[in-house]
Amino acid sequence: EPEVTQTPSHQVTQMGQEVILRCVPISNHLYFYWYRQILGQKVEFLVSFYNNEISEKSEIFDDQFSVERPDGSNFTLKIRSTKLEDSAMYFCASSLNPGQITYEQYFGPGTRLTVT
Amino acid sequence: AQSVTQLGSHVSVSEGALVLLRCNYSSSVPPYLFWYVQYPNQGLQLLLKYTSAATLVKGINGFEAEFKKSETSFHLTKPSAHMSDAAEYFCAVRKNSGGSNYKLTFGKGTLLTVNP
Repeated sequence: EPEVTQTPSHQVTQMGQEVILRCVPISNHLYFYWYRQILGQKVEFLVSFYNNEISEKSEIFDDQFSVERPDGSNFTLKIRSTKLEDSAMYFCASSLNPGQITYEQYFGPGTRLTVT
Repeated sequence: AQSVTQLGSHVSVSEGALVLLRCNYSSSVPPYLFWYVQYPNQGLQLLLKYTSAATLVKGINGFEAEFKKSETSFHLTKPSAHMSDAAEYFCAVRKNSGGSNYKLTFGKGTLLTVNP
């Protein structure tokens, strides 16, 4: 069964450093998403991406964050100048076409980011 | 704005007992509603979804949920708990209207433990 994959599973970085979290969505999916979950808190939407551009972003997704689909398979989240409060589990998701009534977002296993 | 509230961050049941996980939503328009499950070290897996069709929705692994508009609820149930049901469960909501607002808004999650 096709699945969303994410690498690395755990990333430790120092405050102020840049990190890139990588995701490989399901191959025929068209919409891509990033969510994050700070320990003990809700899973929060960060950004959605379609047709090589951001379709929606949350207040959290400020200039510190960027997303890219550098090739036909990868979808990345870049966090510049990381802060302690960026420590969280980051989930990538993809969906075929959210407008369909059978819409479903498929989630990856997550990348745990620890900023020290 | 849409939101969901999951009552009880931790629910403990005995094997074979009824599972009831509560979710209430707030939405200005009729929503789509979802239950996701997360097993340790895995991603979020869709259990079931409500998309304006039947109000009683059956999902995987014997789970079902009933959409009750009058109570703004979408509680998850399973008649008989199994040890393998131990996981964290998330209720989520999104708009059923068109446009690019396809983000999911999640509850805080309920950790289900099953005692032998």
